[in-house]
Amino acid sequence: QVQLVESGGGVVQPGRSLRLSCVASGFTFNNYAMHWVRQAPGKGLEWVAAIWYDGSNKNYADSVKGRLSISRDNSKNTLYLQMNSLRVEDTAVYYCARDRGGYTGWFDPWGQGTLVTVSS
Amino acid sequence: QSALTQPASVSGSPGQSITISCTGTSSDVGGYNYVSWYQQHPGKAPKVMIYEVSNRPPGVANRFSGSKSGNTASLTISGLQAEDEADYYCSSYTYNNTVFGGGTKLTVL
Repeated sequence: QVQLVESGGGVVQPGRSLRLSCVASGFTFNNYAMHWVRQAPGKGLEWVAAIWYDGSNKNYADSVKGRLSISRDNSKNTLYLQMNSLRVEDTAVYYCARDRGGYTGWFDPWGQGTLVTVSS
Repeated sequence: QSALTQPASVSGSPGQSITISCTGTSSDVGGYNYVSWYQQHPGKAPKVMIYEVSNRPPGVANRFSGSKSGNTASLTISGLQAEDEADYYCSSYTYNNTVFGGGTKLTVL
């Protein structure tokens, strides 16, 4: 079945780095744009970043521009989120999601999420 | 990238209908027919209920319907059931980005 599985979350100090991974299965990964969406504890959803099916175009939320970087390895069916200069306000569950609409923001499915906690 | 505006909470009794609104601008909701709605139960990942304003993915009950007028999109749930109690989020495409609403907590009385 179509599945996304995130990993790489954990507790990290402010200013440090972390890399999240999202492994896709059950569909042709290199046919789809992919996104990262996060949810701070007790808060709503926030779109973070997106990448085209071939990695040629990337877009970011203003809140993460210059610090977070999205990438993909289509040979490994894997999406990444490199997180640098982490801040306390980056604490959230990070979800990866497939864009069913071709880059129009129709997300299906979502992974189960991985928790990132930024704390000293 | 301002968030779309949703009511914080709505409620209804089993069997009733409720509508959740999602207000944006001409740069997002009003400018594209790319509004989606997601249902999220506590501790779970979101699940798409409506895409492209009014389309239902396979497996989603036809009690769920979506519409749009101007800069405001709406999700209507008819014949409320206990399992519909959840948080609901709208989202819209906006040039090369996606913006979400703040979320609405639906309580089934």
